[in-house]
Amino acid sequence: EAGVTQFPSHSVIEKGQTVTLRCDPISGHDNLYWYRRVMGKEIKFLLHFVKESKQDESGMPNNRFLAERTGGTYSTLKVQPAELEDSGVYFCASSPLDSSAGGYTFGSGTRLTVV
Amino acid sequence: DAKTTQPTSMDCAEGRAANLPCNHSTISGNEYVYWYRQIHSQGPQYIIHGLKNNETNEMASLIITEDRKSSTLILPHATLRDTAVYYCIVSQYNFNKFYFGSGTKLNVKP
Repeated sequence: EAGVTQFPSHSVIEKGQTVTLRCDPISGHDNLYWYRRVMGKEIKFLLHFVKESKQDESGMPNNRFLAERTGGTYSTLKVQPAELEDSGVYFCASSPLDSSAGGYTFGSGTRLTVV
Repeated sequence: DAKTTQPTSMDCAEGRAANLPCNHSTISGNEYVYWYRQIHSQGPQYIIHGLKNNETNEMASLIITEDRKSSTLILPHATLRDTAVYYCIVSQYNFNKFYFGSGTKLNVKP
């Protein structure tokens, strides 16, 4: 079974530019989450999709961040315009609706550097 | 979700058992205890979870006290590859958002 795939693994952009991160969850996983760790801070929840619907987006820092999951498969997280404080590692995770199998599976993350 | 308290760091000799404690005194009846670890800058890796009974899998054992206010993750034979930050998280079973906290940095030494 393929794991959670995130693309790109690294991205360096200038302040003011736009970046789009992509997450491909494990096939069949209806739950999809975005988390991030900014430098020196804890891993923080951003939002949660159930299929294509946003279940909880309470962790989104501001309206420069837009997450989508059209068709309930892969998800994108767009940052527009990027600011210096957006630098960090963005993790995606997925899990099935039937949570009896255990916790959710994380991807390896996208390291975003805004200069 | 209830918050957790973990020691900042711990050392363990290779081949010995690593016992990582976690306090979660405000845990509610429908909240599970989850353990994850993060090796270097990789994505967090699920280890184990439990409600009130002790649990064991191929990676670790989880011991939860009877009052559920604390738990211990046990790595029975730690290896150098187990060096990581270990996170104890309490959350409802419907996969509510996780609060990772600062975790415990486990250093496994030869």
